[in-house]
Amino acid sequence: NAGVTQTPKFQVLKTGQSMTLQCAQDMNHEYMSWYRQDPGMGLRLIHYSVGAGITDQGEVPNGYNVSRSTTEDFPLRLLSAAPSQTSVYFCASRDDRGRGELFFGEGSRLTVL
Amino acid sequence: LAKTTQPISMDSYEGQEVNITCSHNNIATNDYITWYQQFPSQGPRFIIQGYKTKVTNEVASLFIPADRKSSTLSLPRVSLSDTAVYYCLVGDQAGTALIFGKGTTLSVSS
Repeated sequence: NAGVTQTPKFQVLKTGQSMTLQCAQDMNHEYMSWYRQDPGMGLRLIHYSVGAGITDQGEVPNGYNVSRSTTEDFPLRLLSAAPSQTSVYFCASRDDRGRGELFFGEGSRLTVL
Repeated sequence: LAKTTQPISMDSYEGQEVNITCSHNNIATNDYITWYQQFPSQGPRFIIQGYKTKVTNEVASLFIPADRKSSTLSLPRVSLSDTAVYYCLVGDQAGTALIFGKGTTLSVSS
């Protein structure tokens, strides 16, 4: 199993540009989520999904959109990037059938100029 | 959602036992307590999980008192490689939002 795969690993955007961070998992997990982590800070939940077709907002959803058309994929869209969205983004999935352990991707480092 | 409070940072020396305590006063009946470890430039990874009393695995122990309003992660004989940020999470096992606190930065020196 590849686990949780995030692409791209690094991205530089200009203010106002749009982009999509991709997240895919091959563990058949129903639960997937996106976090952002700013320097010296903990992880803050952006959006999460408990299954295909179901998404919900986390702590800091403004400026981000998500969709969940398949169990495997959970893309995060920035419609109009702002410098405040400069951060490291982590995607995670969870096996709700077991102990509920979160499995994280390697992260995507985004810089908005 | 149960909120957690941890010390911001802790320092230790190699070979010592480290105990990190997390407060979660409004934990719900169905909530489990899970600890994660994060190294720089990596995503967090699972360390240990418990519901009550004591849980031990090959890397750590988790102590949970009867009222479950706090928990303590115990790392025996830490090494330099245990330098990381440790997060305590509280939540049930059935698909709800999982909120991280700010975590505890553990620095281990030789």
